[in-house]
Amino acid sequence: EAGVAQSPRYKIIEKRQSVAFWCNPISGHATLYWYQQILGQGPKLLIQFQNNGVVDDSQLPKDRFSAERLKGVDSTLKIQPAKLEDSAVYLCASSAGTGANQPQHFGDGTRLSIL
Amino acid sequence: DAKTTQPPSMDCAEGRAANLPCNHSTISGNEYVYWYRQIHSQGPQYIIHGLKNNETNEMASLIITEDRKSSTLILPHATLRDTAVYYCIVRPHNDYKLSFGAGTTVTVRA
Repeated sequence: EAGVAQSPRYKIIEKRQSVAFWCNPISGHATLYWYQQILGQGPKLLIQFQNNGVVDDSQLPKDRFSAERLKGVDSTLKIQPAKLEDSAVYLCASSAGTGANQPQHFGDGTRLSIL
Repeated sequence: DAKTTQPPSMDCAEGRAANLPCNHSTISGNEYVYWYRQIHSQGPQYIIHGLKNNETNEMASLIITEDRKSSTLILPHATLRDTAVYYCIVRPHNDYKLSFGAGTTVTVRA
């Protein structure tokens, strides 16, 4: 079974530029999550999708971050404009459902550096 | 709000069993115990989870005490590739997100 695929693996941009990350979840997984992991900390949830609908985006800085999951499969996360504090690893995860008995499976993330 | 307490670090000998403790004294009856690990430059990897009963899979065993206030993750034969940060997470039945703490940095030594 193929895992969660993310691209690119690394991205370096200057502040105030825009950037986009792509995620392809495990086949058949209806639920998709984006997490942000700042160096030295555990991942923190940004947004959750169930199929192509947003379940929770309460932790997403909506003035600069946006995400979509068209057709309920792939997802993109965008930052515009980027700030220095956005330097982090952006992780995508998917699960077969939303229940607490459903493990989330993570990709290897995109490491974003803001100059 | 921290729901779990783990030692910040521990060393293990290659080939020996690694026993990773986790305290979750405020756990509720419908909350699951999850274990993930994160190897350097990779995303978190799911290991195992349980509610009340002990669980075993190809990676590890999860031992949950009868009062559910603590648990132990057992890696039966640690290898150098098991060096990682291990996260113990308590997940409510109605909460989809995973709340990661600081975890335990496990170093397996030859």
